Amino acid sequence: QKEVEQDPGPLSVPEGAIVSLNCTYSNSAFQYFMWYRQYSRKGPELLMYTYSSGNKEDGRFTAQVDKSSKYISLFIRDSQPSDSATYLCAMSARGGRRALTFGSGTRLQVQP
Amino acid sequence: NAGVMQNPRHLVRRRGQEARLRCSPMKGHSHVYWYRQLPEEGLKFMVYLQKENIIDESGMPKERFSAEFPKEGPSILRIQQVVRGDSAAYFCASSGTGDHQETQYFGPGTRLLVL
Repeated sequence: QKEVEQDPGPLSVPEGAIVSLNCTYSNSAFQYFMWYRQYSRKGPELLMYTYSSGNKEDGRFTAQVDKSSKYISLFIRDSQPSDSATYLCAMSARGGRRALTFGSGTRLQVQP
Repeated sequence: NAGVMQNPRHLVRRRGQEARLRCSPMKGHSHVYWYRQLPEEGLKFMVYLQKENIIDESGMPKERFSAEFPKEGPSILRIQQVVRGDSAAYFCASSGTGDHQETQYFGPGTRLLVL
């Protein structure tokens, strides 16, 4: 079983829809949670960063962390064709080891 | 404010040759991480370095792979005697210190093709 599970998609939605992306994880040591966006043949771009449980909002993006369920989500409001990309969740444990553990990514296609 | 820089962006090697991948972290960052992304897979951690020190190399294959981050100059990931299975995208990330030391910013990657 992978430490971080993420539905690979592809997920296809019409422009303007609300998108929900999710990851589950098994390692209770994870404390830091991130979402990255990766366009084809580009490097990952940091979208959201949260520590521990709770919500964080930034423009059209909202990140949620539920540590009791080991479940994190990214919501995208008013989705745009330019949001079409692969979305990667990532997490790390506190302390000296700061390697990120990534999900396999969800491919999102927003149809104009 | 330049981001993480990697070169070359594309690298072609024949089996048995050596590959050297370079990474310059963001200005002010002293922590460097290397990740590998195989086709249709997520990123896998390889190694974490600070200047002149390897902090965590738990994701690095035991044979043929090495990494360094000298006092001066970029971090280098070296792959000796490359094999076809080494073909992948290699990404470097960097982070700073303080409250957001866990936040890693990625470079554009080096795509290695082994013929």
